Amino acid sequence: DVVMTQSPLSLPVTLGQPASISCRSSQSLVYSDGNTYLSWFQQRPGHSPRRLIYKVSNRDSGVPDRFSGSGSGTDFTLKISGVEAEDVGVYYCMQGTYWPLTFGGGTKVEI
Amino acid sequence: EVQLVESGGGLVQPGGSLRLACAASEFTPGTYWMHWVRQAPGKGLVWVSLIKSDGTTTSYADSVKGRFTMSRDNAKNTVYLQMNSLRVEDTAVYYCVRDLIGASGQWGQGTLVTVSS
Repeated sequence: DVVMTQSPLSLPVTLGQPASISCRSSQSLVYSDGNTYLSWFQQRPGHSPRRLIYKVSNRDSGVPDRFSGSGSGTDFTLKISGVEAEDVGVYYCMQGTYWPLTFGGGTKVEI
Repeated sequence: EVQLVESGGGLVQPGGSLRLACAASEFTPGTYWMHWVRQAPGKGLVWVSLIKSDGTTTSYADSVKGRFTMSRDNAKNTVYLQMNSLRVEDTAVYYCVRDLIGASGQWGQGTLVTVSS
């Protein structure tokens, strides 16, 4: 199985300041169709997860543009350009290139 | 607005069975790949299963293979997860998810399954 490793586990942030989460996969996530199936999810306390980013850098509908995804191959990053109070929660990366699909362990973002 | 509503969760004894359902509004599940993802209390997300849009293919996590079966009923706009031989470690909130890796991702609110004697 592809192992997804996130860092840091916990990320203290300051409102208005940028934040960054890293995700690394144990093998390249480039699929045979040329796409890289790496997604990012946010889970606010007491809520269902919500996807923010798919295929490395595509923002889902309704996701603020302060969220951006980047990376390639085995190394990926989620950036928040200026953290807002509503961004508190746990963030997960996930690979969908290989079966079984696998998630990272999560990064807790707290003010 | 697209909605996925899970049902069927509850308390069951080890070795028992449950069938989860995921009812979709505003779209037909047969148009999209559908998934189940679970989250044990206080833990992270774990992918459980998928069914291809045309229903010809299913896939399962090793931890549930041979015990869980995913299916769909297009006439009812519903996907199912039949869970047999349940174990204590299957205790989790189970989420139904549309298009987990594509452009049309959507999560349900989840249903809690508790396996305990």
